Amino acid sequence: GAGVSQSPSNKVTEKGKDVELRCDPISGHTALYWYRQSLGQGLEFLIYFQGNSAPDKSGLPSDRFSAERTGGSVSTLTIQRTQQEDSAVYLCASSLLSNEQFFGPGTRLTVL
Amino acid sequence: GDSVTQMEGPVTLSEEAFLTINCTYTATGYPSLFWYVQYPGEGLQLLLKATKADDKGSNKGFEATYRKETTSFHLEKGSVQVSDSAVYFCALSDRVKTSYDKVIFGPGTSLSVIP
Repeated sequence: GAGVSQSPSNKVTEKGKDVELRCDPISGHTALYWYRQSLGQGLEFLIYFQGNSAPDKSGLPSDRFSAERTGGSVSTLTIQRTQQEDSAVYLCASSLLSNEQFFGPGTRLTVL
Repeated sequence: GDSVTQMEGPVTLSEEAFLTINCTYTATGYPSLFWYVQYPGEGLQLLLKATKADDKGSNKGFEATYRKETTSFHLEKGSVQVSDSAVYFCALSDRVKTSYDKVIFGPGTSLSVIP
């Protein structure tokens, strides 16, 4: 596609359920990032994939969060046993190496 | 490690006022520097960038100059408009030899322009 796409655009779930968020980066982009943005807040880095290197998971807030990137393309962010504090907009971005990042529209997650 | 510091917001200006948003950075390699903008209800988009010392990035009337001696990349605009109201993020992407590190974002500065 022409840009970074994310799905779903909105997700409402109950506390304790697992959720999966998907990111389709721009074709050929080697780097992929996940961020979290709470209402009125800045960007919280979660995880970074660069080519075939081991991902940088230093931003994941707890072991309930995990992410994978299959075939160097699509990525899935999984949150297990969701909590209300997980409610936020989850943003994905991709770039060629570490140049300009292209952001997706985000997934708004609401945990009831 | 690498880091980006921005001036605290929110910043409120009258239309046609001069804007400066300060950004300073710490990096170990040869960083590229960026300003991203997030308009209300929208996603982040690149506003401008500079890839080496003394480069000036510019777009939509905004400018920023890569100053290696002061490790700064301040964002400026001579005459702001109401439509410039947004959150502005300074960011860097470091490169040490051939190794690319992840992009580091500043905390963001909220700008409100009033008529």
